[in-house]
Amino acid sequence: GAVVSQHPSWVICKSGTSVKIECRSLDFQATTMFWYRQFPKQSLMLMATSNEGSKATYEQGVEKDKFLINHASLTLSTLTVTSAHPEDSSFYICSAPGTTRREQFFGPGTRLTVL
Amino acid sequence: EDQVTQSPEALRLQEGESSSLNCSYTVSGLRGLFWYRQDPGKGPEFLFTLYSAGEEKEKERLKATLTKKESFLHITAPKPEDSATYLCAVQASVIQGAQKLVFGQGTRLTINP
Repeated sequence: GAVVSQHPSWVICKSGTSVKIECRSLDFQATTMFWYRQFPKQSLMLMATSNEGSKATYEQGVEKDKFLINHASLTLSTLTVTSAHPEDSSFYICSAPGTTRREQFFGPGTRLTVL
Repeated sequence: EDQVTQSPEALRLQEGESSSLNCSYTVSGLRGLFWYRQDPGKGPEFLFTLYSAGEEKEKERLKATLTKKESFLHITAPKPEDSATYLCAVQASVIQGAQKLVFGQGTRLTINP
């Protein structure tokens, strides 16, 4: 199956700072990528759809100015959590559709802890 | 609104004790139903995609089935290494947003040796 990587795998930051998370498709191109957030013992909640060369589409209730998404190439999407606060602490996971566009492959996730 | 409900929330089995996990869904225009396995602190690992009622897929001790309203993940003679959270997700029609997945809350499966 296709491989999706994320970097970093975990990050700890102080309240008020910004954190950037990278999502890469390693062996295929992805014009679309998805960003999810998962709180402890809860399921994945879609935050936004990242589109290569155009603006991201955000789900209802997700602040676009707080969660900045940039999909600059066919293999890289980045999520920047701006002015992070403790309530932003969560597990952030990205995914990308496979070549048939009827599968989705997930990255290993990034654990964000905001102190 | 697309909805996915999984049951039970948690399930403990003895090694070798077969069982089934349920995923009920409400979606307008099902494009696919996905099963994933997620280990603690890791991203979901793809297991199956089912597209139409009556379809079945198997992988080792796992078998997924689909009806018009629900899907089952059957686990036959499970081993401790099958312990994980199993997630069900649906992909709705293009009108609802192509390729977007709506996830259920998952079933935490524990297999005791």
